[in-house]
Parts: sequence; C-alpha cells; structure tokens
Amino acid sequence: EVQLLESGGGLVQPGGSLRLSCAASGFTFSNYAMSWVRQAPGKGLEWVSVISGGGGGTYYADSVRGRFTISRDNSKNTLYLLMNSLRAEDTAIYYCAQEVNAYCAYWGQGTLVTVSS
Amino acid sequence: DIQMTQSPSSLSASVGDRVTITCRASQGISNSLAWFQQKAGKAPKLLLYGASRLESGVPSRFSGSGFGTDYALTISSLQPEDFATYYCQQYYSNVRRTFGQGTKVEI
Repeated sequence: EVQLLESGGGLVQPGGSLRLSCAASGFTFSNYAMSWVRQAPGKGLEWVSVISGGGGGTYYADSVRGRFTISRDNSKNTLYLLMNSLRAEDTAIYYCAQEVNAYCAYWGQGTLVTVSS
Repeated sequence: DIQMTQSPSSLSASVGDRVTITCRASQGISNSLAWFQQKAGKAPKLLLYGASRLESGVPSRFSGSGFGTDYALTISSLQPEDFATYYCQQYYSNVRRTFGQGTKVEI
C-alpha cells in the first residue's frame, strides 16, 4: 500500500525558511517522479514542483521558482521541499504526490504552512 | 503555459442526477488529463487519468470523455458521497502541470 507522510509545516515569519519532508513507503521510491501540490485556505489546487525518480530533473511553478528547491533522498525514501523567502501568499496545505506516468496517483494528507508575522 | 478552464465553478444537484463538469485546455493535451475528487479536509483522490481511464476502485458511475482541448467528467447518477469538489489537471506539459479552478458539487 502506497503511503506518503508529510511533515515540517508550521508557522514562519515572512522572509523565513522552512523545509518540508515527505516519507514514502509501499513502493520502489526511486522508480517514480514526485510532486508537491499546495492549496491555500479556501482555494483550489496549485501545482508547485516535480522531481524525476533519479532526482536529475526538476521543474517549478513560476510562483515559486528561485525560492523553492525540490530534492529527494532515494536511500531514505524521502522527498523534500526547501522553501526560502516565504511570503504570506505561500500559506497553504502542502501535499506530496506520487506520479504515475506524470499524473498524481497517490497523495499524502498534507502539512500546513502558515506565513505570518 | 497551458491554462485549464473548468466549468461550472459550482453546481447544485440532487441524488440521482446526472452531472457533467467540463475542462478546456488552452492548447491540445492529447488526453493527458486527470480528474480528482476532494472532500472537505481531505487530500484529493484520483478518479480518472488519460481522460477516460477509471482508476482502480472508483465506481463506474464516474466517466470521462473528450479529446484535443475539451474534456468532461460525468457522474451518471449522483450519490450522497459524491458531494465534493472536483478538479481536472493536465499533465501533457512535462515542465509544468496545471489544475483547473475546481467545481464544487453541492445539494
């Protein structure tokens, strides 16, 4: 059974940094691309970033490029999202998702990031 | 970037109704479209991929159709557990996936 467990969310001041983690189990982690998707309070889903199975390919939404960095440690079956220069508009639930043929097949339960002074 | 325009943004329906939600892409996406259901306080759940392929375990009352730029999700007979928000997502662009704005299905 695929399981994805996000952690690392919390309250951070504008301009601050936070690193999210997503622990994966139930599948061969290195065989799958992984994505981060976020959802601001009361809003729709926004794709944030994707990383290939080997970690060599990464892509970002325009809204986070240059501030966020996606990475993975296949030896630990863990996905990361390093978020720098955080803004109020980054406040959201952040989900990690396993990609199967480029669509998000399985999702974690999410971790809440609140950017506020 | 490929933009996804989903409509309607919300709809009211009754149990047993046939419901259709549409998604239009700003360019052809060759059936690289997924549909998700999200209930309040929960993570999204995959319903269909490849525009019309039903994910394992999803009831057959859900179906998908379309080609090119225009796609639709149909619920043939709405059940009480189907009241939720639905999203489409294109994954034709390997560089940047995009979601539709969502459709809230309510009583």
